[in-house]
Amino acid sequence: EAGVTQFPSHSVIEKGQTVTLRCDPISGHDNLYWYRRVMGKEIKFLLHFVKESKQDESGMPNNRFLAERTGGTYSTLKVQPAELEDSGVYFCASSQMRGREFFGPGTRLTVL
Amino acid sequence: AQSVTQPDIHITVSEGASLELRCNYSYGATPYLFWYVQSPGQGLQLLLKYFSGDTLVQGIKGFEAEFKRSQSSFNLRKPSVHWSDAAEYFCAVGAPDFGNEKLTFGTGTRLTIIP
Repeated sequence: EAGVTQFPSHSVIEKGQTVTLRCDPISGHDNLYWYRRVMGKEIKFLLHFVKESKQDESGMPNNRFLAERTGGTYSTLKVQPAELEDSGVYFCASSQMRGREFFGPGTRLTVL
Repeated sequence: AQSVTQPDIHITVSEGASLELRCNYSYGATPYLFWYVQSPGQGLQLLLKYFSGDTLVQGIKGFEAEFKRSQSSFNLRKPSVHWSDAAEYFCAVGAPDFGNEKLTFGTGTRLTIIP
């Protein structure tokens, strides 16, 4: 069974540019989560999809972040325009049942 | 609001020695509790979790954790560490509420194993 995959593994962009991160959950998992870890700090929740609907987006930092999950399959997280403080590792997780979340390897975003 | 404290940023342990990683949480009731591990280049892997019942929880890779309500703690233990246990460990809490499934993580504890 393939795990959660994320693309790209690493992205380096300049301040003001746009970046789109992609997450492919495990097939059949209705729940999809985005988290972010800023360097040296805790991993913070961004949002939660159930199929294509946003169940909880209370962790989204501001309106520069846009998450979508078309057709309830893969998800994208767009940052536009990127700021320096957006640097960090973005994790995606998926689950079919509470307490059985599988995390992807993360995308390391560096904003210069 | 829920919060998690992992007081140890970095711990160094000799191979074969015992290990205890500390985790304290703040939550109004009994939360769901988790320990995750992240090895270099890998995603977060669930070691164990506590939802209810027996307060001593067994996990994968020989790890266990004990929920102590009176101390608001959920410390992770292993009787004898292996070099492959070197990684970063995260404690997390979740609210046992339907529709509120986000996890709140601690800042992590990096474990170094010396021969």
